[in-house]
Amino acid sequence: DAGITQSPRHKVTETGTPVTLRCHQTENHRYMYWYRQDPGHGLRLIHYSYGVKDTDKGEVSDGYSVSRSKTEDFLLTLESATSSQTSVYFCATYRNTGELFFGEGSRLTVL
Amino acid sequence: QKEVEQNSGPLSVPEGAIASLNCTYSDRGSQSFFWYRQYSGKSPELIMFIYSNGDKEDGRFTAQLNKASQYVSLLIRDSQPSDSATYLCAVNTGTASKLTFGTGTRLQVTL
Repeated sequence: DAGITQSPRHKVTETGTPVTLRCHQTENHRYMYWYRQDPGHGLRLIHYSYGVKDTDKGEVSDGYSVSRSKTEDFLLTLESATSSQTSVYFCATYRNTGELFFGEGSRLTVL
Repeated sequence: QKEVEQNSGPLSVPEGAIASLNCTYSDRGSQSFFWYRQYSGKSPELIMFIYSNGDKEDGRFTAQLNKASQYVSLLIRDSQPSDSATYLCAVNTGTASKLTFGTGTRLQVTL
């Protein structure tokens, strides 16, 4: 199922550099989410969007910003990456059945 | 206290046995409950959801919900080696369709 595409899938960057992760969906879902997954912490919500230009913070939003200029695209930006932001990032959309459907994930390493 | 709690495991069961995975949640206003399976290096995929007290069966999987005890469980009958994965419990409190996840229970099905 290619309903969600995340890019890049893998990225290595240095501390202090900006990073943007892209999530693209083809199913016209209104709600989109960015989660990060870390050992011992599980999946934690960073930001979410409930429509074009409508976004809100999740539980771990510090150091992250998002934008949604089109229904299909939800961007996550790390303005100045830190080592604590090394993680696997998952984008998700909300389906009418009440479930979240996840993309394949983006593995980010900040050196 | 974490909002959604799971035993991290690993839970080891022999092939053909019943695996029982448990989850407790803290928000009494929670509306819907989900079980996701996640293989190593992959994204979470939905196994089952349950909204009402009682049992819900789907093939070898049974989800059980007890709202009074704030407890949800997943039973896997006739466990197979291919069931070896991490199982994530997720709860929707009804706020902007956000899911809160537990840290997951790692299941190992042994031959």
